[in-house]
Amino acid sequence: GAGVSQTPSNKVTEKGKYVELRCDPISGHTALYWYRQSLGQGPEFLIYFQGTGAADDSGLPNDRFFAVRPEGSVSTLKIQRTERGDSAVYLCASSLAGSIHEQYFGPGTRLTVT
Amino acid sequence: AQTVTQSQPEMSVQEAETVTLSCTYDTSESDYYLFWYKQPPSRQMILVIRQEAYKQQNATENRFSVNFQKAAKSFSLKISDSQLGDAAMYFCAYRSADSGYALNFGKGTSLLVTP
Repeated sequence: GAGVSQTPSNKVTEKGKYVELRCDPISGHTALYWYRQSLGQGPEFLIYFQGTGAADDSGLPNDRFFAVRPEGSVSTLKIQRTERGDSAVYLCASSLAGSIHEQYFGPGTRLTVT
Repeated sequence: AQTVTQSQPEMSVQEAETVTLSCTYDTSESDYYLFWYKQPPSRQMILVIRQEAYKQQNATENRFSVNFQKAAKSFSLKISDSQLGDAAMYFCAYRSADSGYALNFGKGTSLLVTP
């Protein structure tokens, strides 16, 4: 079956602009996660959805970052007033509910803020 | 918060040889999961192997095996009969079993496989 997909694959934007990054999880996966991977680092947790609600958004760095999952499937990560420090690969993962289940990752979106 | 440390930024191994990647972690929890992920240049994180903390037996998956030392909080990955396709970044990750969903990753080890 289809895996997790993310669009766009790459995004270049100017400082101060608004961007949206999309994640399509595996069908039937109720849990969805966003991570950010800066150059030379491991992924860092941003936000976790269980169904439509954000169960934990403690990893969002500030209020410029926001994510939604209105129908419990596709999720969009939104970044306002982008800064050069936001440049990173944004990874999405999905899984069945419960910590025992494996998280399946998408290929990520590389965001570059110029 | 749990921290995961990978002390080897880069490792190199010859094809068909064996290599061990190190990982240590810090936690006060008794029940958790540990993972090794592979990330090739395509950026796709691929699960290599997982270990449940309550299991004493070390996990194995074909050429990949772990040495899990719970008291020492150590979780190393051994790759046997290394292949060119094993070249990638390898990340060790921790996940709580009780309050857990987020993965805590180390900084990664870049594995180079030479012919």
